[in-house]
Amino acid sequence: DSGVTQTPKHLITATGQRVTLRCSPRSGDLSVYWYQQSLDQGLQFLIQYYNGEERAKGNILERFSAQQFPDLHSELNLSSLELGDSALYFCASSELAGGGETQYFGPGTRLLVL
Amino acid sequence: GQNIDQPTEMTATEGAIVQINCTYQTSGFNGLFWYQQHAGEAPTFLSYNVLDGLEEKGRFSSFLSRSKGYSYLLLKELQMKDSASYLCAVRDASGDSNYQLIWGAGTKLIIKP
Repeated sequence: DSGVTQTPKHLITATGQRVTLRCSPRSGDLSVYWYQQSLDQGLQFLIQYYNGEERAKGNILERFSAQQFPDLHSELNLSSLELGDSALYFCASSELAGGGETQYFGPGTRLLVL
Repeated sequence: GQNIDQPTEMTATEGAIVQINCTYQTSGFNGLFWYQQHAGEAPTFLSYNVLDGLEEKGRFSSFLSRSKGYSYLLLKELQMKDSASYLCAVRDASGDSNYQLIWGAGTKLIIKP
């Protein structure tokens, strides 16, 4: 158990809908990262937040947005969902701002768009 | 440009030794990570190398050569539970990277009895 929690574990929804994924980092960690992993694909970095502020952006679509709240939990919002958005979404956390610190991953949210 | 190469898939026998290679090209380098990921599960941290040489941790060892842009993960006394994907990730220290990790596509390791 990494100490990073994600909810929900599974999500099934329809095209065009909007969903919110939630992540709580390890105690004491200030950075949160979001990743997308499609079936049998590598990890795609989406976005990083550090202490409430956006720190780095990866290949995140305009339909996706995220935020980190004062209690350091983070939410990833996915809107106008398409079939291709079906994937595992991982959240990871690290202690400080450097994106290259050891990241600890949550169990993921499996999203299925029908 | 930034690029990380790993073999897509490898097969090894229970009890044997396997070496998973990773080559990288980045504008700036500040460390290399190896993670293990079982199918459908979260990646878990295995090792971190920032200086040349071998880091040993139980049955797993990781090697780095910065001049060659090369790393390998060595797994000894293979067990069935080692069947997983192994991800190589490089810390990018160039430009506006904010020291982000650049991830390889992963090597799927299949262990046979």
